[in-house]
Amino acid sequence: RKEVEQDPGPFNVPEGATVAFNCTYSNSASQSFFWYRQDCRKEPKLLMSVYSSGNEDGRFTAQLNRASQYISLLIRDSKLSDSATYLCVVSFYNQGGKLIFGQGTELSVKP
Amino acid sequence: SQTIHQWPATLVQPVGSPLSLECTVEGTSNPNLYWYRQAAGRGLQLLFYSVGIGQISSEVPQNLSASRPQDRQFILSSKKLLLSDSGFYLCAWSSTGTGGTEAFFGQGTRLTVV
Repeated sequence: RKEVEQDPGPFNVPEGATVAFNCTYSNSASQSFFWYRQDCRKEPKLLMSVYSSGNEDGRFTAQLNRASQYISLLIRDSKLSDSATYLCVVSFYNQGGKLIFGQGTELSVKP
Repeated sequence: SQTIHQWPATLVQPVGSPLSLECTVEGTSNPNLYWYRQAAGRGLQLLFYSVGIGQISSEVPQNLSASRPQDRQFILSSKKLLLSDSGFYLCAWSSTGTGGTEAFFGQGTRLTVV
């Protein structure tokens, strides 16, 4: 079983739609959680950190459920520019804090 | 501010040739350093992880190696490339310690082995 798993998609949604991505992790000694965005043929860039109480940044909302070992990302009012691959990232206490990436979920927002 | 430099941006190498990719970080001390590889249409696979000079953790068995000769320099090498080594290689850094801070990536090297 992979340490961090995501639905690879692709998710094809119309502009203005709300879309949610889930990510599960297998190691309960998890420490920190992030969502990254990767555009085609570019390096990943941090979208947002995920805090235990959940957090919001504009149209983006991240949630963490430690008991069920999953994190989620909700995008409201999707824009064409949101089209990208979204990567779930987890670091683990018992692995020196190194960052493990999920395989990414591809999002395509259509006009 | 911190910056990370990775080069070259693209590379075409024949099978059996050696490889050396270099990554340097500026504006921070004692960073954690990473090498990831991304195959076409796939996720990021962690190859090497370093918490300090000379301290390298290899994550997967392969014909690649990494070295950290200086605090902010991370080098990925191979003596003989395989076709399966083709991919997008990404260097990244994060703050030191086990705090699990976010990583910042270089622009990547797109390697094609022919």
